[in-house]
Amino acid sequence: EDQVTQSPEALRLQEGESSSLNCSYTVSGLRGLFWYRQDPGKGPEFLFTLYSAGEEKEKERLKATLTKKESFLHITAPKPEDSATYLCAVQADDYKLSFGAGTTVTVRA
Amino acid sequence: IAGITQAPTSQILAAGRRMTLRCTQDMRHNAMYWYRQDLGLGLRLIHYSNTAGTTGKGEVPDGYSVSRANTDDFPLTLASAVPSQTSVYFCASSDGLAGVVDEQFFGPGTRLTVL
Repeated sequence: EDQVTQSPEALRLQEGESSSLNCSYTVSGLRGLFWYRQDPGKGPEFLFTLYSAGEEKEKERLKATLTKKESFLHITAPKPEDSATYLCAVQADDYKLSFGAGTTVTVRA
Repeated sequence: IAGITQAPTSQILAAGRRMTLRCTQDMRHNAMYWYRQDLGLGLRLIHYSNTAGTTGKGEVPDGYSVSRANTDDFPLTLASAVPSQTSVYFCASSDGLAGVVDEQFFGPGTRLTVL
């Protein structure tokens, strides 16, 4: 059974304080790993897709990396508008997505 | 504006009642999905459809049914609601092309409370 575990559950940062979120996974035949951002009361918003170990993707203050066992979402010099829940999901051979429970990030000004 | 719409936004329902959550997408995506999101459990797949006319069961299908009569609409029905079905429900869609890894796009959600 595919498993996705995200840590920490919650992260409180000061504005400008860089940090990383972790997504560890066990899946047979990884097709892709996805990162989403979810704001309170809204649906998840797509951020990145990573396909193979060693791959990196960047968008503004966010950078996602992938190894064979885990992915990291690095937040560099975060701003209050980066406050959200970040979700990780893996897609295996059956093409269905398995989601982690998410990391809720709060950035204080 | 292209995307996914869901209705209603929220609903309070008495146990035992029948309820249909509506989902419509205008991106001409082949695949559509229904998830429920519960605190601490993340998003769990209820049912999916790879193309109009076909549906499949996800991780937590019991108590729910779906239909896919056309490309755009994918309603989710609770035949007889129970309190454990209190959750936030998200509809999603993707290109769903065979052999292609593609991202899913999500609707704004329906918050359902069953009393």
